[in-house]
Amino acid sequence: DAGVTQSPTHLIKTRGQQVTLRCSPKSGHDTVSWYQQALGQGPQFIFQYYEEEERQRGNFPDRFSGHQFPNYSSELNVNALLLGDSALYLCASSWWTGADTQYFGPGTRLTVL
Amino acid sequence: QKEVEQNSGPLSVPEGAIASLNCTYSDRGSQSFFWYRQYSGKSPELIMFIYSNGDKEDGRFTAQLNKASQYVSLLIRDSQPSDSATYLCAVNLPSGGGSEKLVFGKGTKLTVNP
Repeated sequence: DAGVTQSPTHLIKTRGQQVTLRCSPKSGHDTVSWYQQALGQGPQFIFQYYEEEERQRGNFPDRFSGHQFPNYSSELNVNALLLGDSALYLCASSWWTGADTQYFGPGTRLTVL
Repeated sequence: QKEVEQNSGPLSVPEGAIASLNCTYSDRGSQSFFWYRQYSGKSPELIMFIYSNGDKEDGRFTAQLNKASQYVSLLIRDSQPSDSATYLCAVNLPSGGGSEKLVFGKGTKLTVNP
């Protein structure tokens, strides 16, 4: 049973650039949530996708956008990167219906220079 | 008041002791409570979830929930050096839709000394 996968593992960008991170959910899951985890902090909710639509959004600027594909995989896009965007980006998958339990992928470590 | 608060630690216990990790939350509408373990440089791993008041045991782990006090805890019995990690408390925030978002505390770093 394949778990949640994310790519790439690590990424280095410079300020002002754009980045795309990818996530494939656990087999059978239909909902993908994205979190940002800064060093020494707990994960912060960015947004959640179900049926290819953004269903919920946390307190993140419009520079953060996403997409979900028909196969349930998802992308997180960040435009105009800032130094403060350096963090571990986590994807979590779950069932939409009655699915509180979220399972995390290994994460993408983004460094903005 | 922050939505989910944990003792920042670090917490240090000797091998074989009981480690007690605590968490409080502010939203009385929260229905589901989770403990995740995160090793340094790795992603969070779900170890326990609890929905009802009282205790829930799974091996060496016991989660305790008191909704009236808005308090959830995790006990680790017979602590092992391999339990050394950061423990994250997470609480769901109902949205009126299907799947809820999770709100995390900052985590408590646990060190188990051999």
